[in-house]
Amino acid sequence: GGIITQTPKFLIGQEGQKLTLKCQQNFNHDTMYWYRQDSGKGLRLIYYSITENDLQKGDLSEGYDASREKKSSFSLTVTSAQKNEMAVFLCASSIGWGYEQYFGPGTRLTVL
Amino acid sequence: GEKVEQHESTLSVREGDSAVINCTYTDTASSYFPWYKQEAGKSLHFVIDIRSNVDRKQSQRLIVLLDKKAKRFSLHITATQPEDSAIYFCAASTGNSNNRIFFGDGTQLVVKP
Repeated sequence: GGIITQTPKFLIGQEGQKLTLKCQQNFNHDTMYWYRQDSGKGLRLIYYSITENDLQKGDLSEGYDASREKKSSFSLTVTSAQKNEMAVFLCASSIGWGYEQYFGPGTRLTVL
Repeated sequence: GEKVEQHESTLSVREGDSAVINCTYTDTASSYFPWYKQEAGKSLHFVIDIRSNVDRKQSQRLIVLLDKKAKRFSLHITATQPEDSAIYFCAASTGNSNNRIFFGDGTQLVVKP
């Protein structure tokens, strides 16, 4: 089996700061995703990448950038951290769009 | 835009009974409907999915039903066990180069011994 790792597990930043979250998978999956999960809510898609050289915006992309450095890694940048975006950020991967997704353990973001 | 509503925010059942979680969606282009489970303090993991070319799918104690006319789908957990206790999320996804996926807000299932 494979695994998805996310670093860091906890991220504390200042308002206005640029922050980067990293995700690695060893499933050899083509498609990777970044989601935001607010407390008591479902997931919202921020960015996704269908294949290694692809990058697509989800419904919550404003205020974020993403980069698919190679097939196994996908990073997310919060361009200017805001207090109202304290949440858990989840990375996932799948063999393609429309297939079972495997999720990482998450990065919990706190903005002071 | 698309909206996925999960009708039960909490559901409590006795061990051995069945649990049913209902979701509705608005986008008729949605064609893939996965369900995920999130146990306390953990991330999500996949439990079952259904595609729009069928209206029923079963995997052991899990049954998913899809009613495309009503834009409704449901997860049935039969013979519930305490380890089924978790938050369950439904999702609706489109494809064909217009990729979108929307999740419900989750249903907290409690299975009482």
